[in-house]
Amino acid sequence: DTAVSQTPKYLVTQMGNDKSIKCEQNLGHDTMYWYKQDSKKFLKIMFSYNNKELIINETVPNRFSPKSPDKAHLNLHINSLELGDSAVYFCASSPRTSGRAQETQYFGPGTRLLVL
Amino acid sequence: DQQVKQNSPSLSVQEGRISILNCDYTNSMFDYFLWYKKYPAEGPTFLISISSIKDKNEDGRFTVFLNKSAKHLSLHIVPSQPGDSAVYFCAAPCGGNKLTFGGGTRVLVKP
Repeated sequence: DTAVSQTPKYLVTQMGNDKSIKCEQNLGHDTMYWYKQDSKKFLKIMFSYNNKELIINETVPNRFSPKSPDKAHLNLHINSLELGDSAVYFCASSPRTSGRAQETQYFGPGTRLLVL
Repeated sequence: DQQVKQNSPSLSVQEGRISILNCDYTNSMFDYFLWYKKYPAEGPTFLISISSIKDKNEDGRFTVFLNKSAKHLSLHIVPSQPGDSAVYFCAAPCGGNKLTFGGGTRVLVKP
């Protein structure tokens, strides 16, 4: 009964390929996120969806395209993979409530992407 | 540009002693802060938070202190246990549902 799950856990691929990472949450949350943790270990937000609607889109190359088929899923598709895309990608979700509970985000285990 | 900074990348402490993790921020509009704990090969998990209307919040062995004038917060773990060995991230909401994170501090608690 994992709260936030991601697949795959590891992804090794060649430059130029297209790949997808899937995320699902069973917490009933309205908001989902994608974060990237780079080689320097900084966690940076990429996208956020609230109830299938894109609400945060940071300065991310348009090779990255999130898709939310329903509020429990947020997938990340990456076109034309580059060496610099190698990182750990974390999915997260948060409830939509008044007050501060909405800022407590629950993270998935991460997807380790290595582009060769 | 990092609005939340953790200047100590690592900390080593003896079991039973106090661990003190520091975090500085630059945006005086920040009014809520969170600490996350991360084990290897896992996602960060929420640990404790503090609102700017308080200067201290305690939860068991974990206490967070906030000094608004210095734009500084710290996480104290007392007593430290080997299971506390992890990376700790300080974070702050920075508009909408967006969290900005510090670079993390790796804590090693030696038995």
